[in-house]
Amino acid sequence: GENVEQHPSTLSVQEGDSAVIKCTYSDSASNYFPWYKQELGKRPQLIIDIRSNVGEKKDQRIAVTLNKTAKHFSLHITETQPEDSAVYFCAANGGRGADGLTFGKGTHLIIQP
Amino acid sequence: GAVVSQHPSWVICKSGTSVKIECRSLDFQATTMFWYRQFPKQSLMLMATSNEGSKATYEQGVEKDKFLINHASLTLSTLTVTSAHPEDSSFYICSARGRGMSYNEQFFGPGTRLTVL
Repeated sequence: GENVEQHPSTLSVQEGDSAVIKCTYSDSASNYFPWYKQELGKRPQLIIDIRSNVGEKKDQRIAVTLNKTAKHFSLHITETQPEDSAVYFCAANGGRGADGLTFGKGTHLIIQP
Repeated sequence: GAVVSQHPSWVICKSGTSVKIECRSLDFQATTMFWYRQFPKQSLMLMATSNEGSKATYEQGVEKDKFLINHASLTLSTLTVTSAHPEDSSFYICSARGRGMSYNEQFFGPGTRLTVL
């Protein structure tokens, strides 16, 4: 089955700086890679996703890049703000027909004022 | 649009009892629903996938006789934790994917916090 590795587990950056979170996946059949933001006790919130036919996608301060050959994808957040503090999860669908997601272990992003 | 609800939001039960959790898609028809479990400070783990009108597909290591899933309609899936024990205490989250939607995207419910005493 699919295996998703995520790094780092904790990331502390100064407000206004950029943050980068990296994930690798194992199943070459995976074709959908979402990123979620989760606040304590809440549901995961989709912040951006990318499909395997695209190498990069951007939405305002958030961007995701995908390297299919190396099987890794990254989340980039620019001009970080205090409200960006949360746990971020990457995921991959493992190419399964039903698209159940395999999640990375999560990154606790801390924005220092 | 694309709202998923869960009920109850939290439940406390005694060891050995069964607990039913409901997952509803409020404004779309959910052809596929997924059940995840999240232990404190850990990631989400897929438990099972259910398609309306058919048996659920369980992930390796998830006991199908303990976690009963029913997806009887296009708007409702239920997860029943049978003979619950303290180690089943967790945050259970469902998600749903609908007919006619972006093929991959799934919408998450708010989760149900289960505590087994």
